[in-house]
Amino acid sequence: TQLLEQSPQFLSIQEGENLTVYCNSSSVFSSLQWYRQEPGEGPVLLVTVVTGGEVKKLKRLTFQFGDARKDSSLHITAAQPGDTGLYLCAGEKGYSTLTFGKGTMLLVSP
Amino acid sequence: DAGITQSPRYKITETGRQVTLMCHQTWSHSYMFWYRQDLGHGLRLIYYSAAADITDKGEVPDGYVVSRSKTENFPLTLESATRSQTSVYFCASSSVDTQYFGPGTRLTVL
Repeated sequence: TQLLEQSPQFLSIQEGENLTVYCNSSSVFSSLQWYRQEPGEGPVLLVTVVTGGEVKKLKRLTFQFGDARKDSSLHITAAQPGDTGLYLCAGEKGYSTLTFGKGTMLLVSP
Repeated sequence: DAGITQSPRYKITETGRQVTLMCHQTWSHSYMFWYRQDLGHGLRLIYYSAAADITDKGEVPDGYVVSRSKTENFPLTLESATRSQTSVYFCASSSVDTQYFGPGTRLTVL
C-alpha cells in the first residue's frame, strides 16, 4: 500500500527556475522527512518537519508541513544544476520506521 | 572510518542460491533497517531492528532473513534468491529522528 504520493514524478527545468514538489497522504504522520538521493548513493536527510503548519528553510529550499500533518511541499528557488537528484519524502508513524514516497526526479540543466 | 558501510557493493547470483548482504555501522545506533529500492516502487522496508537480538518485519519481508547478534552489524540473507529480488538494497541506522543510509548493494539474480 502506497501511503505517500509524490508529484510530479519527474521534473526537468532550466537553471534559475523555481519549482515545487508535493507529498500527499490520507494518513497522519508524527513527522515528515525529506531526503535527496544522488545516483549510486544512499538518501541523505535534508529536513524533518514535526508540527502542523511548520515551515523550514534550508538556503534556497523551503519545506512546509500541512496543518493536518498529512502533506508536505518542497519549494526550490532559483534551481541550480547541483540541485539535480531524486527527492524523497518519508513519513514516520512510530517505532522509528519510515514510509517513503516513490520520489521526484529533478533535472536542472545549465 | 566512522559511518555505515555495506558489502558487497555489487553482486550477481543465480536463482536458488543463498546470498548474504552485510551492513556495518560505527555509531552504536540502536535502530537499523534494510530497504530495497525498485523503479516504480521507491524505497520499501524489508526488516528493521530496534536493538541486538530484536528484529521485526517491514513491508516486504518474504524471502528474507535477518539477524542482529551485535549492535553494529545487521546482515540480510536471501535464503533462495529469486529474480524478483533483483534490486538495490540499502541499509540504514537511526539516531533519534535521522536515518543514515549506506551506499547500497546492487544485486542481480539471474
